[in-house]
Parts: sequence; C-alpha cells; structure tokens
Amino acid sequence: SQELEQSPQSLIVQEGKNLTINCTSSKTLYGLYWYKQKYGEGLIFLMMLQKGGEEKSHEKITAKLDEKKQQSSLHITASQPSHAGIYLCGAPSLNGNQFYFGTGTSLTVIP
Amino acid sequence: DTAVSQTPKYLVTQMGNDKSIKCEQNLGHDTMYWYKQDSKKFLKIMFSYNNKELIINETVPNRFSPKSPDKAHLNLHINSLELGDSAVYFCASSQARGIPYEQYFGPGTRLTVT
Repeated sequence: SQELEQSPQSLIVQEGKNLTINCTSSKTLYGLYWYKQKYGEGLIFLMMLQKGGEEKSHEKITAKLDEKKQQSSLHITASQPSHAGIYLCGAPSLNGNQFYFGTGTSLTVIP
Repeated sequence: DTAVSQTPKYLVTQMGNDKSIKCEQNLGHDTMYWYKQDSKKFLKIMFSYNNKELIINETVPNRFSPKSPDKAHLNLHINSLELGDSAVYFCASSQARGIPYEQYFGPGTRLTVT
C-alpha cells in the first residue's frame, strides 16, 4: 500500500500570511490530488498533478509536484479565513483500484 | 442540484443493529466509492465499484456490504454494528477509476454506535 505523510499536522496563521503544506509519499506517485474539507462537510477537489515538476494554480492556491514524483506542496498566498479547513492529499494506485489519502493538515486562519 | 447526496446525515444506533446509508450521484459517473473517516480525520477507502467490478479494501469487515441498484446509487449496508464502526462515512463518485479522474464527495454521514 502507499503511505502519504502530510506536514504540518495543524497550522494556525494570521490572515494575510503565506503558508505551505507538504505531502510526502512512500512510493512514486502516479498522480497526486489535493482536496479541502471544511469542518463537518465533504471534500472539495482543488487540483490534480501528474507530471514531475508540474505546478498548478487556482486563485491563491498553488500546488507543485517534485521532479521525482514523491513529494507535493500546497502553497496559499495571503491566506483568508475562507481558506480554513482540512487539506488532504490523495493518490491512486497504478491500476486505480485503490485510493490513498494523506494524514491531513488542519488550517486555521485568524482574522 | 447536489452532485453526490447521502442520507441520512446523522445516524445514531445501538450495537448489534443493522443499518444502511444511501448514496446517489446525478453526474452520470461510472464509478462510486465509500470511505470511512475516523475520529482522527484519517480517510480510508472501503470500496470502489463500477458496473463491472467491485474492489474491496481487504481491511473492511464482511459486515459491510455495498449494494448498487443502478449506476447512480451505491448504498452501504452494515450488519451487527460495533462501537468501532462509529465514524463519518463518505460516498464519492468519479467518471472512472484512477488518473486523471477526480472524485466528487458527498457531505458525509456521521454514524454513532452506542
């Protein structure tokens, strides 16, 4: 099976600050997904990265996949209270039969 | 319109009971999933299913069984509920398995077993 370790486990930042969340895989990633979960709600898809070195941005959130395809980072610029929630990275197995989620990072943004 | 819906949102029941959670998706997707999120917020896949194949995570007890009356529905049946079954259960769907298909999640069902 694949293990995805996220760091930090939790993060408290002041509104307007930048932050980075990391996701490290025990095996080569065939694709890496980032999701956000608001407290008490379902998951919302943010981005998917597939190629080594790939970078994608959506509004103030940027995600990167390293060249070796074993680590991804999620960067939020000028954080806002609306960014608060649990961020989860996830990855499928090569054949797509399994899907593994990371350990999660809880983000609190203080106004 | 809600893309992936689950009912009920909350379920409180006693040990030993049998219960079901319903899931429906109106996205026309071929693949549906059930996940369990424990108290530490760790999310683990239980099943993935399309009209051809059911993939079961080997750690899932056989008290749990998915049932799909049609492509838009994947219900979760749980027999002889145990305290350890208390968790939030999420249903999800995707166009197909694997890359590059994203999964769309339902709002979750919080199951409490007393």
